[in-house]
Amino acid sequence: RKEVEQDPGPFNVPEGATVAFNCTYSNSASQSFFWYRQDCRKEPKLLMSVYSSGNEDGRFTAQLNRASQYISLLIRDSKLSDSATYLCVVRANDYKLSFGAGTTVTVRA
Amino acid sequence: GAGVSQSPRYKVAKRGQDVALRCDPISGHVSLFWYQQALGQGPEFLTYFQNEAQLDKSGLPSDRFFAERPEGSVSTLKIQRTQQEDSAVYLCASSPQGRTEAFFGQGTRLTVV
Repeated sequence: RKEVEQDPGPFNVPEGATVAFNCTYSNSASQSFFWYRQDCRKEPKLLMSVYSSGNEDGRFTAQLNRASQYISLLIRDSKLSDSATYLCVVRANDYKLSFGAGTTVTVRA
Repeated sequence: GAGVSQSPRYKVAKRGQDVALRCDPISGHVSLFWYQQALGQGPEFLTYFQNEAQLDKSGLPSDRFFAERPEGSVSTLKIQRTQQEDSAVYLCASSPQGRTEAFFGQGTRLTVV
Protein backbone atom coordinates (compact mmCIF):
# COMPACT_ATOMS: atom_id res chain seq x y z
CA ARG A 1 0.00 0.00 0.00
CA LYS A 2 1.35 3.41 -0.93
CA GLU A 3 2.01 5.85 1.91
CA VAL A 4 -0.11 8.55 0.29
CA GLU A 5 -3.13 7.81 -1.89
CA GLN A 6 -4.89 10.35 -4.07
CA ASP A 7 -7.82 10.34 -6.46
CA PRO A 8 -6.03 10.91 -9.78
CA GLY A 9 -8.99 12.73 -11.35
CA PRO A 10 -9.03 14.36 -13.72
CA PHE A 11 -11.33 17.02 -12.37
CA ASN A 12 -12.57 19.08 -15.27
CA VAL A 13 -14.35 22.23 -14.08
CA PRO A 14 -15.49 25.53 -15.60
CA GLU A 15 -13.93 28.81 -14.59
CA GLY A 16 -15.42 30.13 -11.39
CA ALA A 17 -16.39 26.71 -10.08
CA THR A 18 -15.33 25.18 -6.78
CA VAL A 19 -13.38 21.96 -6.86
CA ALA A 20 -12.34 19.82 -3.92
CA PHE A 21 -10.36 16.64 -3.56
CA ASN A 22 -8.49 14.82 -0.86
CA CYS A 23 -5.86 12.25 -0.09
CA THR A 24 -5.28 9.66 2.59
CA TYR A 25 -2.03 8.71 4.29
CA SER A 26 -1.09 5.49 6.00
CA ASN A 27 1.48 6.52 8.61
CA SER A 28 -0.30 7.76 11.72
CA ALA A 29 3.00 9.17 12.99
CA SER A 30 3.22 11.64 10.12
CA GLN A 31 4.23 15.07 11.33
CA SER A 32 3.65 17.60 8.59
CA PHE A 33 1.40 17.90 5.61
CA PHE A 34 1.55 19.91 2.41
CA TRP A 35 0.01 20.47 -0.97
CA TYR A 36 2.43 20.92 -3.84
CA ARG A 37 1.48 21.99 -7.33
CA GLN A 38 3.14 20.61 -10.44
CA ASP A 39 2.60 22.02 -13.90
CA CYS A 40 3.15 19.80 -16.93
CA ARG A 41 6.85 19.01 -17.35
CA LYS A 42 7.78 21.32 -14.51
CA GLU A 43 9.06 20.79 -11.00
CA PRO A 44 6.78 20.52 -7.95
CA LYS A 45 6.33 23.77 -6.03
CA LEU A 46 4.92 24.24 -2.56
CA LEU A 47 1.34 25.49 -2.69
CA MET A 48 0.62 25.51 1.02
CA SER A 49 1.26 23.76 4.28
CA VAL A 50 -1.69 22.09 6.00
CA TYR A 51 -2.33 22.72 9.67
CA SER A 52 -4.49 20.78 12.09
CA SER A 53 -6.94 23.62 12.47
CA GLY A 54 -7.31 24.03 8.71
CA ASN A 55 -5.99 27.01 6.82
CA GLU A 56 -6.71 29.25 3.89
CA ASP A 57 -4.48 30.94 1.39
CA GLY A 58 -6.59 33.14 -0.85
CA ARG A 59 -8.89 30.89 -2.86
CA PHE A 60 -7.30 27.72 -1.49
CA THR A 61 -8.46 25.98 1.70
CA ALA A 62 -6.71 22.98 3.19
CA GLN A 63 -8.04 20.70 5.91
CA LEU A 64 -6.42 17.94 7.92
CA ASN A 65 -8.26 15.13 9.70
CA ARG A 66 -5.70 13.26 11.78
CA ALA A 67 -8.23 10.76 13.14
CA SER A 68 -9.21 9.62 9.67
CA GLN A 69 -5.79 10.34 8.19
CA TYR A 70 -6.93 12.41 5.30
CA ILE A 71 -6.10 15.82 3.90
CA SER A 72 -8.26 17.90 1.62
CA LEU A 73 -7.81 20.84 -0.72
CA LEU A 74 -10.60 23.10 -1.92
CA ILE A 75 -10.19 25.65 -4.68
CA ARG A 76 -12.81 28.38 -4.92
CA ASP A 77 -13.52 30.57 -7.95
CA SER A 78 -11.28 28.44 -10.18
CA LYS A 79 -9.03 30.21 -12.68
CA LEU A 80 -7.60 28.84 -15.90
CA SER A 81 -4.19 29.16 -14.26
CA ASP A 82 -5.21 26.68 -11.56
CA SER A 83 -4.96 23.87 -14.13
CA ALA A 84 -2.21 21.62 -12.80
CA THR A 85 -1.50 18.44 -10.89
CA TYR A 86 -1.85 18.79 -7.15
CA LEU A 87 0.42 16.58 -5.09
CA CYS A 88 -0.47 15.60 -1.54
CA VAL A 89 2.70 15.40 0.53
CA VAL A 90 3.32 13.97 3.98
CA ARG A 91 6.44 14.18 6.15
CA ALA A 92 6.87 11.31 8.57
CA ASN A 93 10.25 12.20 10.01
CA ASP A 94 12.67 15.11 10.07
CA TYR A 95 13.31 15.19 6.36
CA LYS A 96 11.62 12.62 4.14
CA LEU A 97 8.66 13.79 2.06
CA SER A 98 6.25 11.17 0.71
CA PHE A 99 4.23 12.20 -2.32
CA GLY A 100 0.93 11.02 -3.65
CA ALA A 101 0.59 10.36 -7.37
CA GLY A 102 -1.26 13.63 -7.84
CA THR A 103 -4.75 14.86 -8.71
CA THR A 104 -5.12 16.51 -12.10
CA VAL A 105 -7.33 19.58 -12.31
CA THR A 106 -8.29 21.18 -15.60
CA VAL A 107 -10.17 24.47 -15.55
CA ARG A 108 -11.92 25.29 -18.82
CA ALA A 109 -13.06 28.65 -20.11
CA GLY B 1 18.88 34.27 -6.00
CA ALA B 2 19.24 31.25 -8.25
CA GLY B 3 17.13 28.20 -7.63
CA VAL B 4 18.14 24.56 -7.72
CA SER B 5 19.89 23.83 -10.99
CA GLN B 6 20.09 20.41 -12.59
CA SER B 7 22.01 19.23 -15.62
CA PRO B 8 21.57 17.90 -18.15
CA ARG B 9 17.87 18.66 -18.59
CA TYR B 10 17.50 15.71 -20.94
CA LYS B 11 19.58 12.58 -21.30
CA VAL B 12 19.15 9.69 -23.68
CA ALA B 13 21.21 6.66 -22.76
CA LYS B 14 21.61 3.33 -24.42
CA ARG B 15 20.80 0.37 -22.21
CA GLY B 16 23.91 -0.59 -20.29
CA GLN B 17 25.45 2.87 -20.42
CA ASP B 18 26.48 4.72 -17.25
CA VAL B 19 25.03 8.19 -16.61
CA ALA B 20 25.79 11.00 -14.17
CA LEU B 21 23.23 13.61 -13.22
CA ARG B 22 24.27 16.84 -11.54
CA CYS B 23 22.48 18.99 -8.99
CA ASP B 24 23.50 22.47 -7.83
CA PRO B 25 21.39 23.26 -4.77
CA ILE B 26 20.49 26.71 -3.54
CA SER B 27 23.57 28.22 -1.93
CA GLY B 28 23.70 27.57 1.81
CA HIS B 29 21.06 24.85 1.83
CA VAL B 30 22.13 22.09 4.17
CA SER B 31 19.71 19.40 3.04
CA LEU B 32 19.70 17.85 -0.41
CA PHE B 33 17.35 15.21 -1.75
CA TRP B 34 17.07 13.11 -4.88
CA TYR B 35 13.68 11.91 -6.08
CA GLN B 36 12.62 9.78 -9.03
CA GLN B 37 9.37 10.58 -10.82
CA ALA B 38 7.95 8.09 -13.29
CA LEU B 39 5.33 9.20 -15.80
CA GLY B 40 1.98 9.76 -14.12
CA GLN B 41 3.35 9.18 -10.64
CA GLY B 42 4.44 11.36 -7.78
CA PRO B 43 8.11 11.78 -6.90
CA GLU B 44 9.61 8.82 -5.03
CA PHE B 45 12.35 9.41 -2.46
CA LEU B 46 15.79 8.12 -3.40
CA THR B 47 18.31 9.59 -0.98
CA TYR B 48 19.02 12.40 1.48
CA PHE B 49 22.17 14.35 2.34
CA GLN B 50 22.81 16.66 5.22
CA ASN B 51 25.85 18.64 4.12
CA GLU B 52 28.25 15.99 2.78
CA ALA B 53 26.82 13.13 4.83
CA GLN B 54 24.44 10.75 3.11
CA LEU B 55 22.04 10.02 5.95
CA ASP B 56 19.45 8.00 4.09
CA LYS B 57 19.81 6.02 0.89
CA SER B 58 16.91 3.68 1.52
CA GLY B 59 15.09 4.70 -1.64
CA LEU B 60 17.85 3.84 -4.10
CA PRO B 61 16.31 1.04 -6.20
CA SER B 62 19.46 -1.02 -6.64
CA ASP B 63 23.21 -0.98 -6.17
CA ARG B 64 23.48 0.45 -9.68
CA PHE B 65 22.43 3.79 -8.17
CA PHE B 66 24.99 5.85 -6.33
CA ALA B 67 24.85 9.43 -5.05
CA GLU B 68 27.50 11.68 -3.60
CA ARG B 69 27.89 15.21 -2.29
CA PRO B 70 31.59 15.35 -1.41
CA GLU B 71 31.87 19.00 -0.41
CA GLY B 72 28.38 19.53 0.89
CA SER B 73 27.16 21.52 -2.08
CA VAL B 74 26.95 20.02 -5.58
CA SER B 75 25.61 16.49 -5.76
CA THR B 76 25.86 13.82 -8.43
CA LEU B 77 23.53 10.89 -8.94
CA LYS B 78 25.18 8.11 -10.90
CA ILE B 79 23.38 5.22 -12.50
CA GLN B 80 25.47 2.35 -13.76
CA ARG B 81 24.44 -0.06 -16.51
CA THR B 82 21.17 1.75 -17.15
CA GLN B 83 18.02 -0.28 -17.74
CA GLN B 84 14.78 0.72 -19.44
CA GLU B 85 12.99 0.85 -16.10
CA ASP B 86 15.37 3.63 -15.04
CA SER B 87 13.64 5.97 -17.51
CA ALA B 88 12.11 8.74 -15.40
CA VAL B 89 12.56 12.32 -14.33
CA TYR B 90 15.19 12.67 -11.61
CA LEU B 91 14.44 15.59 -9.33
CA CYS B 92 16.83 17.21 -6.93
CA ALA B 93 15.59 19.35 -4.06
CA SER B 94 17.26 21.34 -1.32
CA SER B 95 16.17 22.84 1.99
CA PRO B 96 17.76 25.29 4.38
CA GLN B 97 18.53 24.33 7.96
CA GLY B 98 15.41 23.93 10.08
CA ARG B 99 12.94 24.33 7.22
CA THR B 100 10.67 21.61 5.91
CA GLU B 101 9.91 23.20 2.54
CA ALA B 102 11.85 21.56 -0.28
CA PHE B 103 12.81 23.60 -3.33
CA PHE B 104 12.97 21.47 -6.44
CA GLY B 105 15.06 21.76 -9.55
CA GLN B 106 13.48 21.28 -12.97
CA GLY B 107 14.77 17.74 -13.13
CA THR B 108 16.69 15.60 -15.57
CA ARG B 109 14.53 13.56 -17.90
CA LEU B 110 16.36 10.28 -18.51
CA THR B 111 15.28 8.03 -21.35
CA VAL B 112 16.96 4.65 -21.68
CA VAL B 113 16.67 3.12 -25.12
